[in-house]
Amino acid sequence: EAQVTQNPRYLITVTGKKLTVTCSQNMNHEYMSWYRQDPGLGLRQIYYSMNVEVTDKGDVPEGYKVSRKEKRNFPLILESPSPNQTSLYFCASSPSPVLQETQYFGPGTRLLVL
Amino acid sequence: TQLLEQSPQFLSIQEGENLTVYCNSSSVFSSLQWYRQEPGEGPVLLVTVVTGGEVKKLKRLTFQFGDARKDSSLHITAAQPGDTGLYLCAGEASGTYKYIFGTGTRLKVLA
Repeated sequence: EAQVTQNPRYLITVTGKKLTVTCSQNMNHEYMSWYRQDPGLGLRQIYYSMNVEVTDKGDVPEGYKVSRKEKRNFPLILESPSPNQTSLYFCASSPSPVLQETQYFGPGTRLLVL
Repeated sequence: TQLLEQSPQFLSIQEGENLTVYCNSSSVFSSLQWYRQEPGEGPVLLVTVVTGGEVKKLKRLTFQFGDARKDSSLHITAAQPGDTGLYLCAGEASGTYKYIFGTGTRLKVLA
């Protein structure tokens, strides 16, 4: 089944404790992206990647890191999480960087930083 | 910074009523997409509009892209409880490969 998977789905952590949220897609998509969703603010893009080893900042990259060593995986790293990073996070992928392509979203990761 | 503003933010209607959701910007977008998101899930693409003035229909949903490609609307005819969800518009920030999403319209259709 074609899908985008994220792990973990739920995570409670404390300020400053490094964490990684994994994202994997099995559709051989070139473009992958991370978003955070907050009430009243919609979805905001954190980072995106147009292909292996090619990443760029979205609108809200501060406090986050990403890597794209393999085509299928695009982990999101919070080196030192803070309470303002409490949010619902989505990973997405699409066949190519052409923005008329359909983005396929993962099921989301709900993060609480205490 | 390009922004997409959606209105209304919340909408609660009775089954069978019609409704329109708006997505507006002061900037030109090369294309706009509409997504629907249900609780506990990621957004799912409904449609992409590309040409100014374009109208697309998806069963009871009608999508329109403004002539100047700065705005879009989603019209639902005879809404049903299954239409309940969060509707999001999204567009490409000019000259980049970044997506911008609207703030969303939360629709509830009562049986």
